[in-house]
Amino acid sequence: AQTVTQSQPEMSVQEAETVTLSCTYDTSESNYYLFWYKQPPSRQMILVIRQEAYKQQNATENRFSVNFQKAAKSFSLKISDSQLGDTAMYFCAFIQGGSEKLVFGKGTKLTVNP
Amino acid sequence: DGGITQSPKYLFRKEGQNVTLSCEQNLNHDAMYWYRQDPGQGLRLIYYSQIVNDFQKGDIAEGYSVSREKKESFPLTVTSAQKNPTAFYLCAGSRGTEAFFGQGTRLTVV
Repeated sequence: AQTVTQSQPEMSVQEAETVTLSCTYDTSESNYYLFWYKQPPSRQMILVIRQEAYKQQNATENRFSVNFQKAAKSFSLKISDSQLGDTAMYFCAFIQGGSEKLVFGKGTKLTVNP
Repeated sequence: DGGITQSPKYLFRKEGQNVTLSCEQNLNHDAMYWYRQDPGQGLRLIYYSQIVNDFQKGDIAEGYSVSREKKESFPLTVTSAQKNPTAFYLCAGSRGTEAFFGQGTRLTVV
C-alpha cells in the first residue's frame, strides 16, 4: 500500500527566511506523481507544486521548490523568502499512475512569524 | 465559475440518522474522491471513483457509502453505522496529474 509520511507536525520560521518541510513516501511502482498542497485557515486546498516521478529535474514555482530524491523516496518542500501568507497546513500527497488513488500525509502546520 | 461544489457548508444531524453530502463537478474529471479531515489526522481517504458506476473503498470506508451514477456527481452518505461522524469532509476531482477540491462540508452530529 502507498503511504506518505510527514515527520514534522509543526514548524515555524521568521518572515523572509527559508524553511524546508519533509516528506517521505512508500511505493513499489515507478509511475506516480507527488504534490504539495497548502491549506490556509479557510480550509481551501491549494496546489503548491507538482512533481512527476519520471522527471529528474526538481520542480519549482516561484518561491517554492522541491528536492525530489527518487531512490530515497523523499520529496521535501523548500519555501524561500517566507511570507506571512504562507502560514498554513502543508500536505504532501501521492497519486499512483493508473490507479488514481490519491493519498495524503498527516500534514505540517507552518507558522511564519513577523 | 464552477469546479468542485460541495453542499451544504455546514450540516447538523441527530445521532442515528443517515445524512448525504453533495459533491458536484463541472471539470469533466473521471476520478472523484471523498476525504475526512480530523485535527492531527490529515486527509484520510473514504472512497474514490475512477469511472461512472464504479468506486473503491479507501482507508476508512466503514460506515460510509457512495454512488457514482453520473460523471458529475459523487454523493457521500454517512450512515448511522459510522461511530464518530463529526468531522470536516472534502470532495475532490482529478485528471491524474492534479486534484481540485471543494470547499468542504463541516458535519456535526449531536
